[in-house]
Amino acid sequence: DVKVTQSSRYLVKRTGEKVFLECVQDMDHENMFWYRQDPGLGLRLIYFSYDVKMKEKGDIPEGYSVSREKKERFSLILESASTNQTSMYLCASTIGGTQETQYFGPGTRLLVL
Amino acid sequence: RKEVEQDPGPFNVPEGATVAFNCTYSNSASQSFFWYRQDCRKEPKLLMSVYSSGNEDGRFTAQLNRASQYISLLIRDSKLSDSATYLCVVRRSSGGYQKVTFGTGTKLQVIP
Repeated sequence: DVKVTQSSRYLVKRTGEKVFLECVQDMDHENMFWYRQDPGLGLRLIYFSYDVKMKEKGDIPEGYSVSREKKERFSLILESASTNQTSMYLCASTIGGTQETQYFGPGTRLLVL
Repeated sequence: RKEVEQDPGPFNVPEGATVAFNCTYSNSASQSFFWYRQDCRKEPKLLMSVYSSGNEDGRFTAQLNRASQYISLLIRDSKLSDSATYLCVVRRSSGGYQKVTFGTGTKLQVIP
């Protein structure tokens, strides 16, 4: 069974703080993704990675950065948190190739005050 | 225009009813299609892929209409446990990688 874990279920941070969200998958998946989910907007892709040390911008990368130093771990960084980054953050992974089933972590609800 | 559009609902249906959702996509180069299910305050999970010839999995039937650029999900004999948000997902090639786009979801509430 694929397992994707995220470091926190709930986080409360202040405006201007640097925020780290961690995601770990245990199935040796090539591809990892970070999304945010907001009411009425659905899931929007922030960044993704197809390999270690590799990253690609998604649809809404502004205000975020990522790090993939190891295959199993993909980190999302909010350099200076702002209130409009209050959201549900979901990490996902896929095996790669033509297998596109996305396995999601449980999500992190981030509140920026 | 959004790349993937869904009626947000909610669809309130009685137990045992048949309910259908549609999802339209705007890019004719879209190659693969999926339905995901998301329970309240949980992560999305794959429900089923959608094949060109249509496919069925128990009470669930998915159809693809490439000419009109929509996919559908039919749920027969609705159960209370089917209450969830159903996300339409479309995949296409873009700039050397696979771009996956999620719809905003259709909320289903099955009532006793």
